[in-house]
Amino acid sequence: QSALTQPRSVSGSPGQSVTISCTGTSSDVGGYTYVSWYQQYPGKAPKLMIYDVIERPSGVPDRFSGSKSGNTASLTISGLQAEDEADYYCCSYAGNFNWVFGGGTKVTVL
Amino acid sequence: QVQLVQSGAEVKKPGASVKVSCKASGYTFTSNYIHWVRQAPGQGLEWMGIINPSDGSTNYAQNFQVRVTMTRDTFTSTVYMELSSLTSEDTAVYYCARAGSNHLDFWGQGTLVTVPS
Repeated sequence: QSALTQPRSVSGSPGQSVTISCTGTSSDVGGYTYVSWYQQYPGKAPKLMIYDVIERPSGVPDRFSGSKSGNTASLTISGLQAEDEADYYCCSYAGNFNWVFGGGTKVTVL
Repeated sequence: QVQLVQSGAEVKKPGASVKVSCKASGYTFTSNYIHWVRQAPGQGLEWMGIINPSDGSTNYAQNFQVRVTMTRDTFTSTVYMELSSLTSEDTAVYYCARAGSNHLDFWGQGTLVTVPS
């Protein structure tokens, strides 16, 4: 199972929107509505931000949103804030009780 | 509140094995699967496998199938991940995470395993 493809980095100014893509195959991202996104600060454990492509857990700001088209999922951060500077990872169910992560994207707030 | 508390950092020699524990609390232990994920220094997250605490059934990622064993103790609400034949490439932080259907909803604090080359 190959890792999902994410851009290494994206950046934006405070208040702007940034979108992170996550490209897989029809065997993972394209085959299921089970894409999730995680935020990770340096030295900390990941935190769930989006699940089932579009769902937000309680407590996650609504400026975080998810979507999917074909084999590519996306995470959009609207109204970028300084505290959003972190690493973001996508994850997809890949069938037969297997999961696969993306390589991670560093979000920089300029 | 849901908590996953992992065992402390380990330093192991090449060829040895390591066993990391993950103690769950704040929910019914047998109601949720547990994932194991690792992160090498400066690298991304890598899914290792999953265990069903209810019956002990497991599924391992292909990369780890030969070397990893996941077990559980329902009396202490603890899951374990043992990785054998360690090399320096296994130096990483190992995380356990609770499965919330098809995502990972709560994570442990991580356990650093160091294998000097």
